[in-house]
Amino acid sequence: ETGVTQTPRHLVMGMTNKKSLKCEQHLGHNAMYWYKQSAKKPLELMFVYSLEERVENNSVPSRFSPECPNSSHLFLHLHTLQPEDSALYLCASSQDPQASVGTDTQYFGPGTRLTVL
Amino acid sequence: AQSVAQPEDQVNVAEGNPLTVKCTYSVSGNPYLFWYVQYPNRGLQFLLKYITGDNLVKGSYGFEAEFNKSQTSFHLKKPSALVSDSALYFCAVSASGGYQKVTFGTGTKLQVIP
Repeated sequence: ETGVTQTPRHLVMGMTNKKSLKCEQHLGHNAMYWYKQSAKKPLELMFVYSLEERVENNSVPSRFSPECPNSSHLFLHLHTLQPEDSALYLCASSQDPQASVGTDTQYFGPGTRLTVL
Repeated sequence: AQSVAQPEDQVNVAEGNPLTVKCTYSVSGNPYLFWYVQYPNRGLQFLLKYITGDNLVKGSYGFEAEFNKSQTSFHLKKPSALVSDSALYFCAVSASGGYQKVTFGTGTKLQVIP
């Protein structure tokens, strides 16, 4: 349960603010993910990093900027967000999706509840 | 493109009764199927997965799921529901390949009534 931590748990920001979400995994995994969870929508995969290289960018607007300085840490930098960006942002990690050919189990953090005013 | 459908937004079941949460999928090639559960104010937790072999997969907390290739389904089941099972359940699919892309469904809220 506490293998993946996220801070802050709640964030309220104005459209002109700049903020960052932080994720840390303590599981020795090689891959990390950012998801956006909105009510009544499928979980949206935003970014995937494998061995600190970005392997997926799902047409995410440039106002979201990920950073993966090492395999244990993942950041999501936010700037000039829109109210429709309000959602729960989930971080996850897994062993190594490129090695596990589709069978990799993901471990999720508790999420950051973001509200954009 | 792969997809997952969870046709029910919410499932209500009485405590002690069997429960089923439905999931159908579409994917090219062999599917890898997952169920995750999300309790309020928490992230998703892995319940079980089907990779290959026996079509009936057993997972955490007494849950199981049955892979049905002909019906492209992977329904989640439990013989006797507990109030503590009330949560949001997500089905997910990925396919074989060098890099895993996982597609999640919209989620089904399970409400177990005492």
